[in-house]
Amino acid sequence: GQNIDQPTEMTATEGAIVQINCTYQTSGFNGLFWYQQHAGEAPTFLSYNVLDGLEEKGRFSSFLSRSKGYSYLLLKELQMKDSASYLCAVSATDSNYQLIWGAGTKLIIKP
Amino acid sequence: ETGVTQTPRHLVMGMTNKKSLKCEQHLGHNAMYWYKQSAKKPLELMFVYNFKEQTENNSVPSRFSPECPNSSHLFLHLHTLQPEDSALYLCASSHGGDNEQETQYFGPGTRLLVL
Repeated sequence: GQNIDQPTEMTATEGAIVQINCTYQTSGFNGLFWYQQHAGEAPTFLSYNVLDGLEEKGRFSSFLSRSKGYSYLLLKELQMKDSASYLCAVSATDSNYQLIWGAGTKLIIKP
Repeated sequence: ETGVTQTPRHLVMGMTNKKSLKCEQHLGHNAMYWYKQSAKKPLELMFVYNFKEQTENNSVPSRFSPECPNSSHLFLHLHTLQPEDSALYLCASSHGGDNEQETQYFGPGTRLLVL
């Protein structure tokens, strides 16, 4: 079967760094997405990884290891506005390329 | 114009009511999606349309009926819903076609409460 796991909730301090992990089990992996969703708002695209390694976009970076079925989202210089849920989603041939979603990690930033 | 819009933003309905959710995308995309989002659960894909043709129906009960009159508009018709159908219903769009890996762009959702 297909499964996406990520922590339910994390807390971090403003200005610090936080790493949100995502592990997956799929057949025919075809890419991994990270989305950010503020409460009551639409999920918004953050990053896409299909090859192993680190993709950096400003304060946010995303890492993928296909052999380990593992990804993380790294947020640096945390700001209060980064308080949101972070959703991991995987595309696979077994799901006809449709996204399989994790339940999301709620990130709470404290001053 | 905002990329993907949804109306209404909030909806309260009884189990015997009939209502419709509307989604419109202004991104020139050809694929549109309906998702259900319940608290602390993963997004559940309900329906996918690609160039107005339904390509996915994820074992959704018949009390949910989608309609896609053109590539820019998507509806979800609701009738005789159950309280457990209360959730956030999200619409998304993507480029569509043969591109197997596409970023999806979401609307703000309709918060539905079934009494």
